[in-house]
Amino acid sequence: GAGVSQTPSNKVTEKGKYVELRCDPISGHTALYWYRQSLGQGPEFLIYFQGTGAADDSGLPNDRFFAVRPEGSVSTLKIQRTERGDSAVYLCASSTASDSPLHFGNGTRLTVT
Amino acid sequence: GNSVTQMEGPVTLSEEAFLTINCTYTATGYPSLFWYVQYPGEGLQLLLKATKADDKGSNKGFEATYRKETTSFHLEKGSVQVSDSAVYFCGRRVQGAQKLVFGQGTRLTINP
Repeated sequence: GAGVSQTPSNKVTEKGKYVELRCDPISGHTALYWYRQSLGQGPEFLIYFQGTGAADDSGLPNDRFFAVRPEGSVSTLKIQRTERGDSAVYLCASSTASDSPLHFGNGTRLTVT
Repeated sequence: GNSVTQMEGPVTLSEEAFLTINCTYTATGYPSLFWYVQYPGEGLQLLLKATKADDKGSNKGFEATYRKETTSFHLEKGSVQVSDSAVYFCGRRVQGAQKLVFGQGTRLTINP
């Protein structure tokens, strides 16, 4: 079946612009996670959704970052006033339940110039 | 700070060599421990896991044993193949929480 799909695969934007990154989880997966991976580093947790609600947003670095999952399936990560330090690969993962293995997408590579 | 520490890479081995990638963790209670692998051009995928002390996770010839006394979950394989070339991430999930915390990753290259 289809895996976790993330769009776009690459995004180049100018400093100060707003961007949206989309994640389509595996159908039926109630848990959805966003991670950020900088070059040479492991994935860094940003936020976790159980259904429509953000159950843990402790990893969001500041108030420029926000994520939604209005219908409990597709999620959008929104970054306002982008900075060069936001450049990274943004990963989405989903799972069937809170303690199940995570299924990752291939990520969106964000470059802020 | 990061509560999962992995062996620094990159690691380069010849085919059929023995592999160990060290991983230690800090956490209260009894976390679940994981190894994820990222093959070139693909997303991260679960390789193996262990959920309690002394459990051994295994898959594709890889093994890791949950050692609470040393807070370690080292990844081992007796005879590596070129197709094992990838980046390997150790991770832990604290009991009762959903957040999975990863180490920095270890890039492994196997030469024929």
